[in-house]
Amino acid sequence: GQSLEQPSEVTAVEGAIVQINCTYQTSGFYGLSWYQQHDGGAPTFLSYNALDGLEETGRFSSFLSRSDSYGYLLLQELQMKDSASYFCAGAYSGGYQKVTFGTGTKLQVIP
Amino acid sequence: KAGVTQTPRYLIKTRGQQVTLSCSPISGHRSVSWYQQTPGQGLQFLFEYFSETQRNKGNFPGRFSGRQFSNSRSEMNVSTLELGDSALYLCASSLTSGERGETQYFGPGTRLLVL
Repeated sequence: GQSLEQPSEVTAVEGAIVQINCTYQTSGFYGLSWYQQHDGGAPTFLSYNALDGLEETGRFSSFLSRSDSYGYLLLQELQMKDSASYFCAGAYSGGYQKVTFGTGTKLQVIP
Repeated sequence: KAGVTQTPRYLIKTRGQQVTLSCSPISGHRSVSWYQQTPGQGLQFLFEYFSETQRNKGNFPGRFSGRQFSNSRSEMNVSTLELGDSALYLCASSLTSGERGETQYFGPGTRLLVL
């Protein structure tokens, strides 16, 4: 089946930039989404890449390279409120909306 | 617009019992997906419904089932509960059927504890 791998934890300083990587299996791969989840909260959508390249949404950017089976989420000007878990999610063909979530990366922003 | 709602928010059951969880999607959304979230396994896809039809199913035993009603509200049922079923169950709705990678809007989840 499909699997997506992410680092389990990342720590970064407030105001800095952090990159969270995601590698995925290519068979049937259609696109990559990113979600943020605060402790005790529901996942919320951040971005989606179906094509290679960078998508920018405010302080958050997401990148996809199909040739490398790799994507990343870039968070700039980190704020304390960015401390959360971040999940990449691969959309795969073979069904209308079959989504496989990555293992999740817990980001801790420190002062 | 109201967001995705799930009921109940918390539930305690004992092994062998069954449980039914409910999800009301965002108004106008026709697709509802269910996920199980545990610390050890992360977010795992259970199944997805669109227009009252199950279109996709994850790798879960037959004890896990679901359905969707004509108003797009969905229920999932777990029979013969096991300790390992303790988890946060999340439902997510999205607007249409065919756009892969479409944004999913998650509800707050139902936290199930099996004793």
